[in-house]
Amino acid sequence: EDQVTQSPEALRLQEGESSSLNCSYTVSGLRGLFWYRQDPGKGPEFLFTLYSAGEEKEKERLKATLTKKESFLHITAPKPEDSATYLCAVQASSGGSNYKLTFGKGTLLTVNP
Amino acid sequence: SQTIHQWPATLVQPVGSPLSLECTVEGTSNPNLYWYRQAAGRGLQLLFYSVGIGQISSEVPQNLSASRPQDRQFILSSKKLLLSDSGFYLCAWGTSGVDTQYFGPGTRLTVL
Repeated sequence: EDQVTQSPEALRLQEGESSSLNCSYTVSGLRGLFWYRQDPGKGPEFLFTLYSAGEEKEKERLKATLTKKESFLHITAPKPEDSATYLCAVQASSGGSNYKLTFGKGTLLTVNP
Repeated sequence: SQTIHQWPATLVQPVGSPLSLECTVEGTSNPNLYWYRQAAGRGLQLLFYSVGIGQISSEVPQNLSASRPQDRQFILSSKKLLLSDSGFYLCAWGTSGVDTQYFGPGTRLTVL
């Protein structure tokens, strides 16, 4: 069974204090790894898709990286508006349900001014 | 550009009552459609997905059902709600051959 574990569960940073969120996964053949941002009471907003180990993607203050066992979401010089829950999900290439995303429980990031 | 709508935004229903949640997508044709549930302290769980009109696949056996009467319309239903059906229901769409799924604003369901 595909599994995704995110750590830490919650992270509190000061504005400008860079850090990383971790997503460890086990999957029977990785088709893709996805990062989403979710604000309270809203649907997840797509951030990145990573397909193979060594791949990196950037968007503003966020950078996502991928290895064979985990992914990191690096946040550089965060601002209060980066406060949200960050979700990681994997999609397996094997089996009949190629479309299924398996999600972690998320990391709640709070950035204080 | 593509837009996904869900309604209602919030719903409070008594145990045993029926349920109908609706999702519609604009700006794309023949999308893959998904229903997820997000319960407190748990990750998003895929409930149903559809690759075309009338084609529904269930991931989790339960008292919920889904239908796709039109290309860009996806409906989640129940004949009798349980307390355990409470949660945040999210509809998502994707395009065949492209893996990313895009989520709607969600429906907060509370069963009392």
